[in-house]
Amino acid sequence: GENVEQHPSTLSVQEGDSAVIKCTYSDSASNYFPWYKQELGKGPQLIIDIRSNVGEKKDQRIAVTLNKTAKHFSLHITETQPEDSAVYFCAAPQIQGAQKLVFGQGTRLTINP
Amino acid sequence: DGGITQSPKYLFRKEGQNVTLSCEQNLNHDAMYWYRQDPGQGLRLIYYSQIVNDFQKGDIAEGYSVSREKKESFPLTVTSAQKNPTAFYLCASSPGTFHEAEAFFGQGTRLTVV
Repeated sequence: GENVEQHPSTLSVQEGDSAVIKCTYSDSASNYFPWYKQELGKGPQLIIDIRSNVGEKKDQRIAVTLNKTAKHFSLHITETQPEDSAVYFCAAPQIQGAQKLVFGQGTRLTINP
Repeated sequence: DGGITQSPKYLFRKEGQNVTLSCEQNLNHDAMYWYRQDPGQGLRLIYYSQIVNDFQKGDIAEGYSVSREKKESFPLTVTSAQKNPTAFYLCASSPGTFHEAEAFFGQGTRLTVV
């Protein structure tokens, strides 16, 4: 089945700097890679996703890059702001067998003013 | 407003009791899912349903049960057989299987055993 590894588990950056979170996956058939942001006590919210037919996608200060050959994808947040502080999860679908979304372990991002 | 609603937000259970967590969606999604989240950990799949009247076990189904009698509803029962039920429970829905479309999550139910 699919296995998703996410690094780092915690990340602290100064306001205005960039943050990068990386994930690797194991199932080469996976074709959809979402990133979720979870604020304290709330459910995860999709912030950006990418499909396997593109290598990069941007949405304002957020971007995701995908390297299918190496089976890894990354979340990039530029010009970080205090409201970016949250836990971020990457995910990848398991295609074979039980069809489900497999999540990384999460990254707690803290933006220091 | 379309969305996915979980209730209650907080739930307290005595040892030996069964409790049921509600999940309702008005997004007309076929697929619905239950995840469990423990502090500092990722999300683990309990049960999922891709169509009405059908559901499948996830990775940690022991001690839990579900039903899918209506498209918009997917309640989760935490039974007394679940030895460590204290956790944050998240319900999600998607138009199809996860490799086709994004998943929407509810705001979660925090269950505490007292």
